[in-house]
Amino acid sequence: KQEVTQIPAALSVPEGENLVLNCSFTDSAIYNLQWFRQDPGKGLTSLLLIQSSQREQTSGRLNASLDKSSGRSTLYIAASQPGDSATYLCAVRPHTGANSKLTFGKGITLSVRP
Amino acid sequence: DGGITQSPKYLFRKEGQNVTLSCEQNLNHDAMYWYRQDPGQGLRLIYYSQIVNDFQKGDIAEGYSVSREKKESFPLTVTSAQKNPTAFYLCASDMGGGYNEQFFGPGTRLTVL
Repeated sequence: KQEVTQIPAALSVPEGENLVLNCSFTDSAIYNLQWFRQDPGKGLTSLLLIQSSQREQTSGRLNASLDKSSGRSTLYIAASQPGDSATYLCAVRPHTGANSKLTFGKGITLSVRP
Repeated sequence: DGGITQSPKYLFRKEGQNVTLSCEQNLNHDAMYWYRQDPGQGLRLIYYSQIVNDFQKGDIAEGYSVSREKKESFPLTVTSAQKNPTAFYLCASDMGGGYNEQFFGPGTRLTVL
């Protein structure tokens, strides 16, 4: 059974710092991996989707990488801002097809201090 | 604007009552999902549907029911058989087949009084 782990559960950094959020998964046979952001009391916002054939994806100050063989993904946030404070979740899709379902990590709650 | 809407935002239920949470999408997505989120537990899949008039149980389907009569709509009923229904409920959708991004609605917070 696929398990997704995000450690640490919480992180606090000063504004302007570059930071890396980690995501690890136990079964490397994934089809894609998705990073989400969740603000308190809100739904999830999709940040980046990486297909298994890709090594990384970029969107603005965000860069996500994927290393299937080691079962790891990282989300790099450049020049962090207080507005980046939120919970960041990763989720993996095991395969394609009608019954392919995402498995989520529990998330990392990020606080960026002004 | 394309997106997923959920209503109501807050819902209060008395013991023994059934309540229905609404989820509508105008993204023309084939697949729709219901998740439950509890503090410290992450997201857990309740039900999902890949096509109209068909749906499958997720990991925690007991005490819940769904219908998929229209492509755009996937309502979730929380029945009195669900012993601990207080949680944040999230609806999501995607194109199906596992290829594409999954998108989420704003959520409904259900509280049992």
